[in-house]
Amino acid sequence: SQQGEEDPQALSIQEGENATMNCSYKTSINNLQWYRQNSGRGLVHLILIRSNEREKHSGRLRVTLDTSKKSSSLLITASRAADTASYFCATAPYGNNRLAFGKGNQVVVIP
Amino acid sequence: DSGVTQTPKHLITATGQRVTLRCSPRSGDLSVYWYQQSLDQGLQFLIHYYNGEERAKGNILERFSAQQFPDLHSELNLSSLELGDSALYFCASSVREAINEKLFFGSGTQLSVL
Repeated sequence: SQQGEEDPQALSIQEGENATMNCSYKTSINNLQWYRQNSGRGLVHLILIRSNEREKHSGRLRVTLDTSKKSSSLLITASRAADTASYFCATAPYGNNRLAFGKGNQVVVIP
Repeated sequence: DSGVTQTPKHLITATGQRVTLRCSPRSGDLSVYWYQQSLDQGLQFLIHYYNGEERAKGNILERFSAQQFPDLHSELNLSSLELGDSALYFCASSVREAINEKLFFGSGTQLSVL
């Protein structure tokens, strides 16, 4: 099944810096979602962007979607230590009633 | 707190055994999804139920089965367990059937097969 692939897979930054992660996918999608997972815990939904949207903001999060390149990016501005987590993109392909997750990006924010 | 409840939080068992994982979705959510998370495979979709009916199957082994009951809680049954079944099992819920909305995840059941 088609899955998102995040890049880079591990990122270490200083508090206050911005963190950018990219996700690529292979087939046409209904929407793309980003989730956060703190160590060993459940995933928490961050943002959903539909296939007809190009950019979306939520607080310190900015997501872009380029359907021609089949890619998305997640930007976290002014990072905080509490942003330390794994970030997953997930895609909902057309005609497919399931959400497929990438392998995740581990982000470490150093205080 | 997502509102999705999974029990037990931890489960340690031996190869060849059978276990049942339980999930209670958020109040009002009709869809329940099961995912398996392991270091090598990442998050794998197992199965989806909507209002008691199976809607989609993913990479679910024949040794695994699931069901959703009339009160909408769901159970994932894992039998003839193997070492490789050790993983974190998540359930998630959503209001509707279509994946055009966000999922709410439980905190997972950590299964260790020894």
